[in-house]
Amino acid sequence: GIQVEQSPPDLILQEGANSTLRCNFSDSVNNLQWFHQNPWGQLINLFYIPSGTKQNGRLSATTVATERYSLLYISSSQTTDSGVYFCAVEGSMGFKTIFGAGTRLFVKA
Amino acid sequence: NAGVTQTPKFRILKIGQSMTLQCTQDMNHNYMYWYRQDPGMGLKLIYYSVGAGITDKGEVPNGYNVSRSTTEDFPLRLELAAPSQTSVYFCASSYPGQGAGQPQHFGDGTRLSIL
Repeated sequence: GIQVEQSPPDLILQEGANSTLRCNFSDSVNNLQWFHQNPWGQLINLFYIPSGTKQNGRLSATTVATERYSLLYISSSQTTDSGVYFCAVEGSMGFKTIFGAGTRLFVKA
Repeated sequence: NAGVTQTPKFRILKIGQSMTLQCTQDMNHNYMYWYRQDPGMGLKLIYYSVGAGITDKGEVPNGYNVSRSTTEDFPLRLELAAPSQTSVYFCASSYPGQGAGQPQHFGDGTRLSIL
């Protein structure tokens, strides 16, 4: 099956700093999603981005499907950005969503 | 605007007991999913459904059963609870679309401990 690798595994930022999270996947995908899991365990869908670039406020994401990677950009980080960021892909066979292990982000005030 | 609602939020079971985790959504989504998340790990798909009466196995289905009699509800059943099933369980739903569809919306999870 598809392998999903996220990097870095852990990241500590000073408030106001920018960061880039990466998601590599081993095969072609039908779709790709980025999620934020907050410290209370809730999962929030950030982007549904099988290809191209999307922006939502301080967050943006780019997926280059032909090169099998996606990037999540966080600008001007805030303490509320802390948590775990997951990349999840669905392979070409359909429906079975595979999650990466996540990037754990801590933003210091 | 309830979205995806999971009950209970917490539960402790003894080995060998059975229980049903409830999931309901009010967004008229055709697709629904059950995941488990072990400590420090990503989520793994247990079962999914593309509509009422249609279910299929995900990555880790052993020890679980599901049913989908209505669009709104997708219960997950554990028949003989084992310590390895201690985890946080998430239900999600989405509209149809290419493959697994549009963005998945998640419930708040059920934290289950098997002792």
